Amino acid sequence: ETGVTQTPRHLVMGMTNKKSLKCEQHLGHNAMYWYKQSAKKPLELMFVYSLEERVENNSVPSRFSPECPNSSHLFLHLHTLQPEDSALYLCASSQGDAGELFFGEGSRLTVL
Amino acid sequence: GQNIDQPTEMTATEGAIVQINCTYQTSGFNGLFWYQQHAGEAPTFLSYNVLDGLEEKGRFSSFLSRSKGYSYLLLKELQMKDSASYLCAVRDRNYQLIWGAGTKLIIKP
Repeated sequence: ETGVTQTPRHLVMGMTNKKSLKCEQHLGHNAMYWYKQSAKKPLELMFVYSLEERVENNSVPSRFSPECPNSSHLFLHLHTLQPEDSALYLCASSQGDAGELFFGEGSRLTVL
Repeated sequence: GQNIDQPTEMTATEGAIVQINCTYQTSGFNGLFWYQQHAGEAPTFLSYNVLDGLEEKGRFSSFLSRSKGYSYLLLKELQMKDSASYLCAVRDRNYQLIWGAGTKLIIKP
């Protein structure tokens, strides 16, 4: 199994849909992250969970809702998104807050 | 504010050497990372520098000067598979990662 797995790899949704992105890590790490990656822009940190507790929100719009049921799984629930939310959403994990990040391959989201 | 600067795009020739620069202005410093990201794939860890100097790992080396707020990634004996984006990131005093926008490296035969 790969270290960090994300599903789905591609998602197209309308602005009124509700969908979820899933991330699973098999590395035994205790921190998980959601990042947004847009073309030619730096990675934007959206959410951090450490020991299953959310430690950072970074002023993300409420149409994005994270969930971390255990240390291996992370979800990003999406509802009433906007076209500007179209991007690559990357999940990552690390051991502690100083360790290197291990990324999943991302979920490419298109909002119509 | 905090900022990471790196060139948007670079082109190099197969077999040659290329240096990708990264300059940073951050609130504190707790290490600098380089990641490689092929199109449509996950970023993967390349190197980590926390002390000044050169870290060598095979064909790749990374250099850090904390006093200058400067790092570079040196790629030797370039191969076509090195075509990718290279991301520079710095951990600030709060251990937050500050990311550059990435450098797209194009390798030509």
